[in-house]
Amino acid sequence: RKEVEQDPGPFNVPEGATVAFNCTYSNSASQSFFWYRQDCRKEPKLLMSVYSSGNEDGRFTAQLNRASQYISLLIRDSKLSDSATYLCVVNGEGNEKLTFGTGTRLTIIP
Amino acid sequence: GAVVSQHPSRVICKSGTSVKIECRSLDFQATTMFWYRQFPKQSLMLMATSNEGSKATYEQGVEKDKFLINHASLTLSTLTVTSAHPEDSSFYICSAEQGRQEKLFFGSGTQLSVL
Repeated sequence: RKEVEQDPGPFNVPEGATVAFNCTYSNSASQSFFWYRQDCRKEPKLLMSVYSSGNEDGRFTAQLNRASQYISLLIRDSKLSDSATYLCVVNGEGNEKLTFGTGTRLTIIP
Repeated sequence: GAVVSQHPSRVICKSGTSVKIECRSLDFQATTMFWYRQFPKQSLMLMATSNEGSKATYEQGVEKDKFLINHASLTLSTLTVTSAHPEDSSFYICSAEQGRQEKLFFGSGTQLSVL
């Protein structure tokens, strides 16, 4: 089983729609969780950290379910500029290494 | 925000040559830097963790003699791909850690094409 698994997509979503991604992780001792955004052949950029209580940043909402070991990202009122690959990132207890999921490709359609 | 500069952005070289990639933290000191590789349509894969003043820690399956990492100062880490072959063609990205793990800044990446 991969350490971090994501649905690779692609997700083709009309502008203005709501889209949700899920990510599962295998290491139950993982402590930190993040969503990164990566545009084609560019470096990943931190979108948001994911906290146990869930957190929201504008149109983006991230949630963590430790019992089921999954993380979600919800994008509301999607914009054309949201088109990118979204990477789920996890690191383990006492481990500085970040493990990246394969990413979910999102394309917003006008 | 913090800036990490990675150079060069693109390299095209012949098989058998060595290629050096530089990663610099421009406005902060980075005791730890990370090197990743990304093949098309695949995720970033950590190659090694570079610690200033000490030997790099390589991930399983990464040849340390082929991918030489030097982290001689708090602002510079280099990755040298020695005797590059076409299978080494990939997108290489560095990142530098500022303070806590959450403060991780990425370079802009280097696209290496080995002919």
